[in-house]
Amino acid sequence: DAKTTQPPSMDCAEGRAANLPCNHSTISGNEYVYWYRQIHSQGPQYIIHGLKNNETNEMASLIITEDRKSSTLILPHATLRDTAVYYCIVRVLNSGGSNYKLTFGKGTLLTVNP
Amino acid sequence: EPEVTQTPSHQVTQMGQEVILRCVPISNHLYFYWYRQILGQKVEFLVSFYNNEISEKSEIFDDQFSVERPDGSNFTLKIRSTKLEDSAMYFCASIGLGQETQYFGPGTRLLVL
Repeated sequence: DAKTTQPPSMDCAEGRAANLPCNHSTISGNEYVYWYRQIHSQGPQYIIHGLKNNETNEMASLIITEDRKSSTLILPHATLRDTAVYYCIVRVLNSGGSNYKLTFGKGTLLTVNP
Repeated sequence: EPEVTQTPSHQVTQMGQEVILRCVPISNHLYFYWYRQILGQKVEFLVSFYNNEISEKSEIFDDQFSVERPDGSNFTLKIRSTKLEDSAMYFCASIGLGQETQYFGPGTRLLVL
């Protein structure tokens, strides 16, 4: 598995952009970067994923550096409900195609303050 | 929006008892997973299941654990003889054929006394 490194915690003011960094310097060319979050022991919630291009959806944007060794998850306007542990995960691709396991690290605890 | 559901939300059992945790994956999904999270620790992969057989399992998934898809909708995790250290949140996940995203259920909190 490609290892990921994230800061253990970050703070963000409500309404401001939250930028969560992740290092994955050993990522392989066919490995995707996934972001999930977990709000207070609820099930992990999918946010976004990407391979090499920047991605955006209704929840967030994912910026992947050109060398793919790091990425940043951006929550454009953080709210109190975005307080959660955010996991950056490099996907391990099984020979079964869609079938893969996720290896979670400790993630980053993002606290959004009023 | 379709979602993974799990029952029960909480389960308390005595050490040595059997428990069955139930999951209803998203309709038409074909790959199914169980993960667990001991309080304060990481989410850990337990097992993946496809085409009615286990495709991968972790070291945690020993002979005390089994999985089954008894019908077209349910996916179950059985712990044959629970131990204190089995106390954890158990999450089910599923993914559709050709898709790229696993979706997780809300979890079952298992407490073994």
